[in-house]
Order: sequence, then C-alpha cells, then structure tokens
Amino acid sequence: EAGVVQSPRYKIIEKKQPVAFWCNPISGHNTLYWYLQNLGQGPELLIRYENEEAVDDSQLPKDRFSAERLKGVDSTLKIQPAELGDSAVYLCASSLGRDNSPLHFGNGTRLTVT
Amino acid sequence: KQEVTQIPAALSVPEGENLVLNCSFTDSAIYNLQWFRQDPGKGLTSLLLIQSSQREQTSGRLNASLDKSSGRSTLYIAASQPGDSATYLCAVSANAGKSTFGDGTTLTVKP
Repeated sequence: EAGVVQSPRYKIIEKKQPVAFWCNPISGHNTLYWYLQNLGQGPELLIRYENEEAVDDSQLPKDRFSAERLKGVDSTLKIQPAELGDSAVYLCASSLGRDNSPLHFGNGTRLTVT
Repeated sequence: KQEVTQIPAALSVPEGENLVLNCSFTDSAIYNLQWFRQDPGKGLTSLLLIQSSQREQTSGRLNASLDKSSGRSTLYIAASQPGDSATYLCAVSANAGKSTFGDGTTLTVKP
C-alpha cells in the first residue's frame, strides 16, 4: 500500500512570492489534513477535509493561505504571498475518517522563505 | 481547549535499557490517543493507537497505556536499541477528528 505522497520535499522562495504544496493521500482515505510543524514543536492543524468538503479550516490564515481538494482525492495548499514566518514543514495526513482510525502522514514539504 | 504536554523534552539512555515516555492531557473527553515516531527530516510514523475504552496497546517492544481519568498516557520501550533514536509524539483526538499534538520527546539511545 502506497503511503501519503507529498511534493516537493523542499522549497526555497523569497518573501512575497507564491508557493504551492501537493498531497496525494492513501487510496480510500476520505479524510485529509494539512498540518504545519515548526522546529521542535508538534504539528498544528491548518485544515481538514472530508472528501471534497473543508470541515475545519478555523486555523487556516485565510488572508494568505488557501487549499483545495476538488475531486476528493489529492489536495493543494497554497500560500500567497509568503512571509518569513511561514518557514516551516507542511505535513499532509490522511485517515479513513472514522473516529478511531489512525492518522498516516507524508514526509512533508520543508519551506524556507528568505 | 485541549493541551498536551510531553516531559522530558529530551532523554538519553544506554542501549538495552527499558524506558518510559510520558504524555499528559488536560481534557479527558477523548476518542483516542495515538503515539508517533518522527525521524529527522521525515513525517510522523504511527506506532500505536489506543481507543478511549482501552487501557493499553502492545506492538513488539512497545506498550502504550492510557489513564483517561488522570489525563495520562505512557509509552514503554523495552530493551532499547540505537535504532529507536527518534522524536516520539503523542496526539489526543477529540470528537470531529481534531487531534492535538504534544511537542515530543527526543530519545537518544547510545550504543
């Protein structure tokens, strides 16, 4: 079984530039999550999808961040414009969506904003 | 608001030692608790998931316990090996699929 796939693995951009991250969840996983992880800290939820619907985006900074999961499978997270403080690892996770189904994470995208 | 704490932040032990990692949470109304391992530059790998109705789960040399009433979970690693060196994170899941993570304990097992 293929795991959660994310690309790119690394991205370096200048501040004010746009950037996009892509995630393909495990096949059959209806729930998809985007997390942000700062160095030395645990992941923090940005947005959660149930199929193509964003059911929890309360922590997503909507002035510069956007996400989509148009067909309920893969997803894209975008930042425009990026700020220095956005430098972090962006993790995608998926699950079957039932209350006791485990989270499965991708390897993340490490973003550096200069 | 759920808060999850993992103490200590770092732990160093000699190879072969048995050890316990701690996770505490403030709100006992949880659906499950999951333990993860994270290697440098990698994502999180699920180790064990304990449902709220369970007291413990075991996988190989790992045993996780859950005491909801006291808001605590422990991850026991038996006969530690250098390959166990990693950061271990716990995550508590409330309803609606929202998980709150601790900041992790970084374990170093010395040969």
